[in-house]
Amino acid sequence: AQSVTQLGSHVSVSEGALVLLRCNYSSSVPPYLFWYVQYPNQGLQLLLKYTTGATLVKGINGFEAEFKKSETSFHLTKPSAHMSDAAEYFCAVRPSGSARQLTFGSGTQLTVLP
Amino acid sequence: DGGITQSPKYLFRKEGQNVTLSCEQNLNHDAMYWYRQDPGQGLRLIYYSQIVNDFQKGDIAEGYSVSREKKESFPLTVTSAQKNPTAFYLCASSPPRTGTLLGNQPQHFGDGTRLSIL
Repeated sequence: AQSVTQLGSHVSVSEGALVLLRCNYSSSVPPYLFWYVQYPNQGLQLLLKYTTGATLVKGINGFEAEFKKSETSFHLTKPSAHMSDAAEYFCAVRPSGSARQLTFGSGTQLTVLP
Repeated sequence: DGGITQSPKYLFRKEGQNVTLSCEQNLNHDAMYWYRQDPGQGLRLIYYSQIVNDFQKGDIAEGYSVSREKKESFPLTVTSAQKNPTAFYLCASSPPRTGTLLGNQPQHFGDGTRLSIL
């Protein structure tokens, strides 16, 4: 069985500071990994995904994430936070080579302070 | 533009009443999913369908029912058996793959329906 753990249900950063949102997974096979963002009363929007190839993945809005197999991690980062980054962020996993549904983490609410 | 349309955006249910949430997609995706979202619990899978006329239970299917008569549509019925239906419901769809990597495609989400009990 696979699972996803997002450390920190709430993270606050100052505008212009580094954003780091943590995601660790457990999976019996190498997984596909996804980060989504959700704004209030909206659906989820894909930020980036890792399926194969380069382990540093760049996404939209200046976000990136690095797949580290040895640490079973896929942390999301952004060098400089903007007020518009305030939202909830979800990490999700699916076993590679599978069309099964995604397993989501419990989410991290990001607050950006002026 | 292609996308997923969920309606209504807000829905109210009386005790003992069944309600149906609509989900329509024009992305030509085979697979469709229903999730329930509660504060602090992330997304939990209710039902999913990988092909027309076929669907499977997810982790929290009790009190819910679905149908998949058309590729574009995957309605969810919240029955009176669901004792705690107040939540935000999200519909998603995805293609199975690009190239040979099965499952490497993300899910695309609608904007959700918020269901409340009167």
